[in-house]
Amino acid sequence: DQQVKQNSPSLSVQEGRISILNCDYTNSMFDYFLWYKKYPAEGPTFLISISSIKDKNEDGRFTVFLNKSAKHLSLHIVPSQPGDSAVYFCAASAPYNAGNNRKLIWGLGTSLAVNP
Amino acid sequence: KAGVTQTPRYLIKTRGQQVTLSCSPISGHRSVSWYQQTPGQGLQFLFEYFSETQRNKGNFPGRFSGRQFSNSRSEMNVSTLELGDSALYLCASSLGERQETQYFGPGTRLLVL
Repeated sequence: DQQVKQNSPSLSVQEGRISILNCDYTNSMFDYFLWYKKYPAEGPTFLISISSIKDKNEDGRFTVFLNKSAKHLSLHIVPSQPGDSAVYFCAASAPYNAGNNRKLIWGLGTSLAVNP
Repeated sequence: KAGVTQTPRYLIKTRGQQVTLSCSPISGHRSVSWYQQTPGQGLQFLFEYFSETQRNKGNFPGRFSGRQFSNSRSEMNVSTLELGDSALYLCASSLGERQETQYFGPGTRLLVL
């Protein structure tokens, strides 16, 4: 059961345009969401996050939008650059068992290609 | 501040052997998580250690085990290697109890022949 879904395995965008990567989740207990970028043969790099008390968080060219009622979040990259070509992972965090224990659930990733 | 380091970076083993991978977290980070990445499978969570205790565990067979030392360094062991264990093994560290933002190492690429 994939609790965090990235339904588009790949996306191709022209340089300078907007890239929109989508992520859907099923567990209403998720209260913190993160986006990571991964280049081949490297570990994922943290990009941006958002708490469930917000609906938008912006950091430079990257903006994450959260729609709790639809259980949907998206990452916008504007303007897209060739160096943004990578696999983007969405992850969601929820309390797990008792205490401060939390679990991080990952999507399968979307491969973004930004064409010059 | 130094990032997460993993050793070795590349490893070739044969079926039936065992392997130990090492991870040094960012200084001050107390939580270490391990992931397996294979093509088309995304990041598969193996386990997480916090203060030398396994706190979370994914759905992997008992051949996969780990431990964490008092200095937060962690090791992961895979016994009786199978061809399907060939993957990129990633270690991630985070500050502490809330396991929020994780910072990843470069990974260890394991090839089982």
